[in-house]
Amino acid sequence: SQKIEQNSEALNIQEGKTATLTCNYTNYSPAYLQWYRQDPGRGPVFLLLIRENEKEKRKERLKVTFDTTLKQSLFHITASQPADSATYLCALDIGDDKIIFGKGTRLHILP
Amino acid sequence: NAGVTQTPKFQVLKTGQSMTLQCAQDMNHEYMSWYRQDPGMGLRLIHYSVGAGITDQGEVPNGYNVSRSTTEDFPLRLLSAAPSQTSVYFCASRVQGNEQFFGPGTRLTVL
Repeated sequence: SQKIEQNSEALNIQEGKTATLTCNYTNYSPAYLQWYRQDPGRGPVFLLLIRENEKEKRKERLKVTFDTTLKQSLFHITASQPADSATYLCALDIGDDKIIFGKGTRLHILP
Repeated sequence: NAGVTQTPKFQVLKTGQSMTLQCAQDMNHEYMSWYRQDPGMGLRLIHYSVGAGITDQGEVPNGYNVSRSTTEDFPLRLLSAAPSQTSVYFCASRVQGNEQFFGPGTRLTVL
């Protein structure tokens, strides 16, 4: 069956450290993978997109890797800040123009 | 640009009532989608559209109808509401192969 797993429901990280979130999937060969941020009571906001032929993508303090052999993406926030506290969602293109999401990881950056 | 707009923001229905959730975008995006978000379940794809006149089912389509008569609008219809449809509904739009833009959501309660 189709499955996207994000490593944990919640993650606590000390301010200034690097937060690493994991997205694993099975039974797909996605053309691309996306990461979104969602704050309480708001819609998701796009952060980064990485395509199947890209190993790594960076944007400011954010970095995404994509390993199509392991079927895994890692999402890193360096020099984390309390303002980075949010839920982070992984989304996959699963073909037929469908985009589906993992359940998300709630990240708490502790001052 | 207003981006993706959704109405209403909140709605309470009784079991068996019908209603339409409205979604509009002004970015001329061909692709539009409806998701529902429940605690612990993440975002689940209900229906999506790749252009005017074209719709398809997502992961959880039962109990919902859609149509796409224009590029701008993608309404979601509940023909006979059930308590299991209590959720937060998000509409999104995109260009093929790129990031999704989400609306602010509609919080629906079915009693």
